[in-house]
Amino acid sequence: NAGVTQTPKFQVLKTGQSMTLQCAQDMNHNSMYWYRQDPGMGLRLIYYSASEGTTDKGEVPNGYNVSRLNKREFSLRLESAAPSQTSVYFCASSDLGGYGYTFGSGTRLTVV
Amino acid sequence: QKEVEQNSGPLSVPEGAIASLNCTYSDRGSQSFFWYRQYSGKSPELIMSIYSNGDQEDGRFTAQLNKASQYVSLLIRDSQPSDSATYLCAARGSNSGYSTLTFGKGTMLLVSP
Repeated sequence: NAGVTQTPKFQVLKTGQSMTLQCAQDMNHNSMYWYRQDPGMGLRLIYYSASEGTTDKGEVPNGYNVSRLNKREFSLRLESAAPSQTSVYFCASSDLGGYGYTFGSGTRLTVV
Repeated sequence: QKEVEQNSGPLSVPEGAIASLNCTYSDRGSQSFFWYRQYSGKSPELIMSIYSNGDQEDGRFTAQLNKASQYVSLLIRDSQPSDSATYLCAARGSNSGYSTLTFGKGTMLLVSP
């Protein structure tokens, strides 16, 4: 049982490049989330999808877009990467009530 | 804005001692609270949930909730070096129906042999 799978695990981008972070869950969860974690800032919500077909902005959505491809998959896209987007990105999923998130292993992104 | 506050630490305790981690939250309507453990370089892992005032125990872990004081705590009994990690407190918002979690910045716990 894989849980929540994120790809890639590591990525280095140049300023202005674009990329998509992939996330898939096999727990039949309805809700999925993208967080970023920076030293001293904790986990901050970028976007979330309460259920298939819906997406909403979180605390820090600027510079990002998301797609809920189906119930299992939720991707995060950086259209034009900036050094301020250097961070560790976590995808998570939960049941519809939003209880007890399960996190993926994370993507460590560096923008130079 | 909903906030969850934690001391950043580190909290240092000797092996076998009780570690006490604390958290306060600003949204008085928050109903559900969670403790996550995060080892360095790893993802957060859910270890405790608590939904009503009082204590919730699971093995060496006890979560305590006081809604009147807007205070949540986590006690770890018989602390082990393997408990050394950052502990994140999270609160589920008060909106009816669906809500997201707000996380604190975490408290680093160091357990010395």
